[in-house]
Amino acid sequence: GAVVSQHPSRVICKSGTSVKIECRSLDFQATTMFWYRQFPKQSLMLMATSNEGSKATYEQGVEKDKFLINHASLTLSTLTVTSAHPEDSSFYICSARDFAGDTNTGELFFGEGSRLTVL
Amino acid sequence: QKEVEQNSGPLSVPEGAIASLNCTYSDRGSQSFFWYRQYSGKSPELIMFIYSNGDKEDGRFTAQLNKASQYVSLLIRDSQPSDSATYLCAPRGSNYKLTFGKGTLLTVNP
Repeated sequence: GAVVSQHPSRVICKSGTSVKIECRSLDFQATTMFWYRQFPKQSLMLMATSNEGSKATYEQGVEKDKFLINHASLTLSTLTVTSAHPEDSSFYICSARDFAGDTNTGELFFGEGSRLTVL
Repeated sequence: QKEVEQNSGPLSVPEGAIASLNCTYSDRGSQSFFWYRQYSGKSPELIMFIYSNGDKEDGRFTAQLNKASQYVSLLIRDSQPSDSATYLCAPRGSNYKLTFGKGTLLTVNP
């Protein structure tokens, strides 16, 4: 299957700093990537849809000025958590759809996830 | 009504038994349905997808879909301890968005 690489896998930062997480599709082009957040023992919650070359679409309740998303190429999307606080500590997971993939299924490929801890 | 409902479990079955996981969804426009497995601390991995009513089998896994009842299930035959994980049901909506249920925690006892 297609591979999505996410980096870093773990990051610890101080409150008030910004953290950037990268999501790369390694062997396919992804016009659309999705960013999810998962708190302990909770389900994956969609934060935003990242579209190559255009602004991201954020889900209700997600602050677009706090979670900056950039999708500058067909293989890379970045999520920047600005002025991070302890309540932003979570597991952030990206997923990507193969541009040339089966439109019947719309299978998404997931990155390994990034665990953010804000002290 | 929640968009995707799953029994959170835990569901405990003995090794070799059949595990049955259920999911109901509210969006009648959903066309494809995905089952993901998630081990603790890891990202989800795809088990199966289904988009036609009826059954779809892949090895030890069988997905069943009933769009009229807005119900999708996953059967795991000959359950193994390595199947112990959280299973997530995810209907696909518009623009290929997946909406995840809370997941069912499955424990397979040796």
